[in-house]
Amino acid sequence: NAGVTQTPKFQVLKTGQSMTLQCAQDMNHEYMSWYRQDPGMGLRLIHYSVGAGITDQGEVPNGYNVSRSTTEDFPLRLLSAAPSQTSVYFCASSYSDSAEAFFGQGTRLTVV
Amino acid sequence: AQSVTQPDIHITVSEGASLELRCNYSYGATPYLFWYVQSPGQGLQLLLKYFSGDTLVQGIKGFEAEFKRSQSSFNLRKPSVHWSDAAEYFCAVGYMDSNYQLIWGAGTKLIIKP
Repeated sequence: NAGVTQTPKFQVLKTGQSMTLQCAQDMNHEYMSWYRQDPGMGLRLIHYSVGAGITDQGEVPNGYNVSRSTTEDFPLRLLSAAPSQTSVYFCASSYSDSAEAFFGQGTRLTVV
Repeated sequence: AQSVTQPDIHITVSEGASLELRCNYSYGATPYLFWYVQSPGQGLQLLLKYFSGDTLVQGIKGFEAEFKRSQSSFNLRKPSVHWSDAAEYFCAVGYMDSNYQLIWGAGTKLIIKP
């Protein structure tokens, strides 16, 4: 049972570089989300999707893009990395908007 | 703005002692309430949730939580903690009129004394 798979687990970027964090789920969930986790701040929603082809902004979307071409995949793109984007990123999926969210293992990103 | 408060950044409890982690939310509408646990270096796992009905809900690993509307609270409890309960605990709240997008507390780190 793979659940929600995130890659990579760790990444170091230089300021200005771009990259894509991958997220895939095999549970046929419609709802997928990206969060960032910073010490003392809990989880903050970056972007979310309620189904293939539909995405929307969360609380902290600036500097990030997403797309949802398939039900399974929900990649997060950092357009031009900044030190303020150093964080742990979590992808989550759920069957519906009020159901339990299943989380990936996280990606620890450091921007130098 | 809607918010979720977990007043205790960290709590230290002796193994075998009882535990209560506090969670308060700000918005008055009927909330959907969750408690998640995060072990070091891991993702988050759902402990329990409240949508409606009995205000005392049972979860996994021997945890329970009670929804008290009058106090806008959803405190997490366990009668006797084990060393394996050492982790960070997050309370989250969703509302129907915000498309169920979850609002998260800052977390409470639980430390277990042997």
